Amino acid sequence: ELKVEQNPLFLSMQEGKNYTIYCNYSTTSDRLYWYRQDPGKSLESLFVLLSNGAVKQEGRLMASLDTKARLSTLHITAAVHDLSATYFCAVDILNTGNQFYFGTGTSLTVIP
Amino acid sequence: EAQVTQNPRYLITVTGKKLTVTCSQNMNHEYMSWYRQDPGLGLRQIYYSMNVEVTDKGDVPEGYKVSRKEKRNFPLILESPSPNQTSLYFCASSPLYWGGIGTEAFFGQGTRLTVV
Repeated sequence: ELKVEQNPLFLSMQEGKNYTIYCNYSTTSDRLYWYRQDPGKSLESLFVLLSNGAVKQEGRLMASLDTKARLSTLHITAAVHDLSATYFCAVDILNTGNQFYFGTGTSLTVIP
Repeated sequence: EAQVTQNPRYLITVTGKKLTVTCSQNMNHEYMSWYRQDPGLGLRQIYYSMNVEVTDKGDVPEGYKVSRKEKRNFPLILESPSPNQTSLYFCASSPLYWGGIGTEAFFGQGTRLTVV
């Protein structure tokens, strides 16, 4: 059974601190995506990681992919309140760029 | 503006009353899909379509139907809704690439369905 597990499920952190969200998956895949969802809103694409060792950075967020370990990380640097949201990773199990399995999500709250 | 539009945004219905949630995209994407989002379970795929008249089951297709008569539209049909279908539903679209480039999906704003 395919599993996509995120840790932690809930994260409360102070502004200015660093933290990492982990996404483990149980099947072979070279493609992993990160999305952000604000409360009551839709999902917004953050990163597309397409190969082993891929690293993408946007502002205070950096995502990486280790396909051998079946692990992706989303690192938050010097958190600010605007980063409060739920973050999802999604694995493309067929490597077609379309068939996604989502993790359960990590709800991040950044406290002033 | 590139977008995926779902309607309605909110819907309360009674058990057994057929309903349709519409989804339309204006990006000429081949691939469209439906997800449901439930607390603690993330998003689970219901059905997907790789092109007109080509649809297939996702992880949780029971109780749902879809059709893809036009490229831009992908409605989700609940023939006889039940309370366990109370959920937040998202439609998504993306270009279809085979064995090469991957791309993110574009999501609609969501439809919050309550079945009583």
